[in-house]
Amino acid sequence: QQPVQSPQAVILREGEDAVINCSSSKALYSVHWYRQKHGEAPVFLMILLKGGEQKGHDKISASFNEKKQQSSLYLTASQLSYSGTYFCGTDPFNTGKLIFGQGTTLQVKP
Amino acid sequence: DTAVSQTPKYLVTQMGNDKSIKCEQNLGHDTMYWYKQDSKKFLKIMFSYNNKELIINETVPNRFSPKSPDKAHLNLHINSLELGDSAVYFCASSQAAGQTDTQYFGPGTRLTVL
Repeated sequence: QQPVQSPQAVILREGEDAVINCSSSKALYSVHWYRQKHGEAPVFLMILLKGGEQKGHDKISASFNEKKQQSSLYLTASQLSYSGTYFCGTDPFNTGKLIFGQGTTLQVKP
Repeated sequence: DTAVSQTPKYLVTQMGNDKSIKCEQNLGHDTMYWYKQDSKKFLKIMFSYNNKELIINETVPNRFSPKSPDKAHLNLHINSLELGDSAVYFCASSQAAGQTDTQYFGPGTRLTVL
């Protein structure tokens, strides 16, 4: 039931791009993306809804593929501030019960 | 000015003790949550309240008891603490309990059981 994220970890240089994938074995109706920096709370990035269009947030965007039951988070021209752990969360029962993936740790180096 | 606040930020205690964590939100939201994040960063929902009513109650030891005195507050009481309870506990809130509702997290309470 827990969505699976890939890769588990990625190291980038500033200015490089990254893609983080979130796959579910259950039908997806929405995917929530969060970023958590070390020692801090998860911070909301965006929600992707079934039938919705690709969302954007500064240089971070995401897509939602219902057929593949997958969402992807795109980070372009990465900045040092993008470092952290990225989580996707799914709510298969529309109850607000978010089930989070295991997280993808992103490290951006100068 | 803080949206979701938790106290205390750190909690160090001995096995067998009872402790409470408090959470307050000033966003006017109807729904509040408790999450547990373990040492491997796995973030798992424990409970959710909507308008003071328990709506999500995951498989959690009954030593954990949430209480919501009003919509803006959700407390977590833990009895007979065990080593395995050591984790970071996050409170969160959302406008409602649907899949389109953004959840806003508090700063977390790091619980260490010795």
